[in-house]
Amino acid sequence: EAGVVQSPRYKIIEKKQPVAFWCNPISGHNTLYWYLQNLGQGPELLIRYENEEAVDDSQLPKDRFSAERLKGVDSTLKIQPAELGDSAVYLCASSFGLGTGETDTQYFGPGTRLTVL
Amino acid sequence: AQSVTQLGSHVSVSEGALVLLRCNYSSSVPPYLFWYVQYPNQGLQLLLKYTSAATLVKGINGFEAEFKKSETSFHLTKPSAHMSDAAEYFCAVSTSGTYKYIFGTGTRLKV
Repeated sequence: EAGVVQSPRYKIIEKKQPVAFWCNPISGHNTLYWYLQNLGQGPELLIRYENEEAVDDSQLPKDRFSAERLKGVDSTLKIQPAELGDSAVYLCASSFGLGTGETDTQYFGPGTRLTVL
Repeated sequence: AQSVTQLGSHVSVSEGALVLLRCNYSSSVPPYLFWYVQYPNQGLQLLLKYTSAATLVKGINGFEAEFKKSETSFHLTKPSAHMSDAAEYFCAVSTSGTYKYIFGTGTRLKV
C-alpha cells in the first residue's frame, strides 16, 4: 500500500516569492492534515480537512497561507508571499477519520523542506 | 488542555545498550499516546500507540512502551540499541473523539 506522497521534497525560493506544496493521502483516508515542523520542534497542525471541507484552520496564517482539497483526495498548500520565517518542513498526514470505532491514527508523508532566502 | 514533555532533547547510547526515551503527558481525560520516529529528511513513522488496551505496547523494530497512569508517563524502551536506531523520536498525545495530536519537542537518539 502506498503511503502519503508529497512533492516537492525540497524547495528553495527567495522571499516574497510564492510556493506550493502537494500532498496525496493514503487511499481511503478521509482526513488530511498539514503540519508545520520547525527545526528542533515537533509538528504543529496548520489545517485539517474532512473530505473536501476544512474543519480546522485556526492555526493557518490566512494572510499568506492558503490550502485546498477540491475533490476530497489530494491537497495543495500555498504560501504567498513567502517570508524568511517560513523556512521549515511542511508535513502532510492522513487518517481514516473519526467514526471508525478506533483511534484515528495519523500517517505522515516525507515532508517538503522549504528554504526561503 | 493536553501537553507532552520529552525529557532530554539528546540521548546517546552505545550499540547494544538499553534505550530509554522519556515521555510524560498531561491530560484531563484518558489519553491515547503515540511514539513516532523520524529519520533524517524523512517524515514521521509510527512506532507504536497506546489505545487503552494493554498498558505494555509493543511496536516495530523491537521498541516497546509502557503506559503508567500513576506516573503520567509513556516511556519508550529498547533492550539493545542498534546503529540504525539513530533518529529523532516524538511522543504525541490525543484523546478519544478528537483528531488533535499534541507533539513533544522530540528526542534525538545517537547510537
